[in-house]
Amino acid sequence: NAGVTQNPKFQVLKTGQSMTLQCAQDMNHNSMYWYRQDPGMGLRLIYYSASEGTTDKGEVPNGYNVSRLNKREFSLRLESAAPSQTSVYFCASRLDPPETQYFGPGTRLLVL
Amino acid sequence: AQRVTQPEKLLSVFKGAPVELKCNYSYSGSPELFWYVQYSRQRLQLLLRHISRESIKGFTADLNKGETSFHLKKPFAQEEDSAMYYCALSGNDYKLSFGAGTTVTVRA
Repeated sequence: NAGVTQNPKFQVLKTGQSMTLQCAQDMNHNSMYWYRQDPGMGLRLIYYSASEGTTDKGEVPNGYNVSRLNKREFSLRLESAAPSQTSVYFCASRLDPPETQYFGPGTRLLVL
Repeated sequence: AQRVTQPEKLLSVFKGAPVELKCNYSYSGSPELFWYVQYSRQRLQLLLRHISRESIKGFTADLNKGETSFHLKKPFAQEEDSAMYYCALSGNDYKLSFGAGTTVTVRA
């Protein structure tokens, strides 16, 4: 099992450009999550999907959109990137609450 | 609302010394508490959760509902314990709330 995978590992964008971060899991988990990690802020939830076909806002959803493409895949889209979105993005999944969340390796995003 | 507080951003200890990472939470119901560890530039991985009451890599954590705390302890720190540690809380919904994290450095 690969667990949770993310692509790309690293990306540099210019302000105003768009991109999609990809996440996939092969553990047959129901819920999936996107977080951003910033120094001194811990991990903050951007969006989550409790099950296939549903998505909900987390703590910091502004500037992002998500798609739960199927049970395995959950993508995060930046429509118009801003320097404030420079961060490390982690995808996670879990079977159901309150089970353990499993994390992907992260995507480092730099917006110039 | 659920909230997790880790008051120490940085913690430096000598090898062989005890280490304790503090975690306090606020939640109106019965939470599930976790400690995650992140080694340099790696993904977060579960260290332990309170419901399992296990000791992982020599670490233990006890849930104190009266003090709403879930402190992480290890009697003898090792250099490989140098990492970022996150305390997290899961309530009855789908969200997992994280503290700001504590960076631990173990010096030889």
